[in-house]
Amino acid sequence: GQQLNQSPQSMFIQEGEDVSMNCTSSSIFNTWLWYKQDPGEGPVLLIALYKAGELTSNGRLTAQFGITRKDSFLNISASIPSDVGIYFCAGQGNSGNTPLVFGKGTRLSVIA
Amino acid sequence: NAGVTQTPKFRVLKTGQSMTLLCAQDMNHEYMYWYRQDPGMGLRLIHYSVGEGTTAKGEVPDGYNVSRLKKQNFLLGLESAAPSQTSVYFCASSPDRFWGAFFGQGTRLTVV
Repeated sequence: GQQLNQSPQSMFIQEGEDVSMNCTSSSIFNTWLWYKQDPGEGPVLLIALYKAGELTSNGRLTAQFGITRKDSFLNISASIPSDVGIYFCAGQGNSGNTPLVFGKGTRLSVIA
Repeated sequence: NAGVTQTPKFRVLKTGQSMTLLCAQDMNHEYMYWYRQDPGMGLRLIHYSVGEGTTAKGEVPDGYNVSRLKKQNFLLGLESAAPSQTSVYFCASSPDRFWGAFFGQGTRLTVV
């Protein structure tokens, strides 16, 4: 089945630093989604991408749909303590009924 | 503004017991999903439904059954719980285009 490789697995950064994480796949996806999960909560959708090359921002977050349709990137600028959490990428393949495939997550810790 | 509501939030079962997890959404979404989340494994799809009266298997369906008798509800059943089913279970729903866009807060299940 389709698998997503998300990296890094975890990261520790200083408050104010920029963050970058990415997701790669061995197969082509039509949709890339980025979620954030706070402790004890369900994942919350941050950004959705539908076209190859698309670059979309949501506040300090920017995500890109890779040209090859096999990867996606999420950047967070000027990190703050509330950015702490687990970030998941998710992708949907070619078939209309194909469920989302999730990466294993990037655990972000922000040091004040 | 309920969104996706999961019941119960916590449960401890003994091996061999059965239980049903309830998911209710008030957004009139066609698609509903059950995921399990284990440390380091991301979110894995158990079963999903593309409409009332329909169900389909996901990545890890063994040991679980589901029913979607009403559009707003999606039930996940464990007929004979096993310790390997100790996990956090998330329900999600989506309108046509987004997959898994809205998640519930999760049910933490421990099987002893």
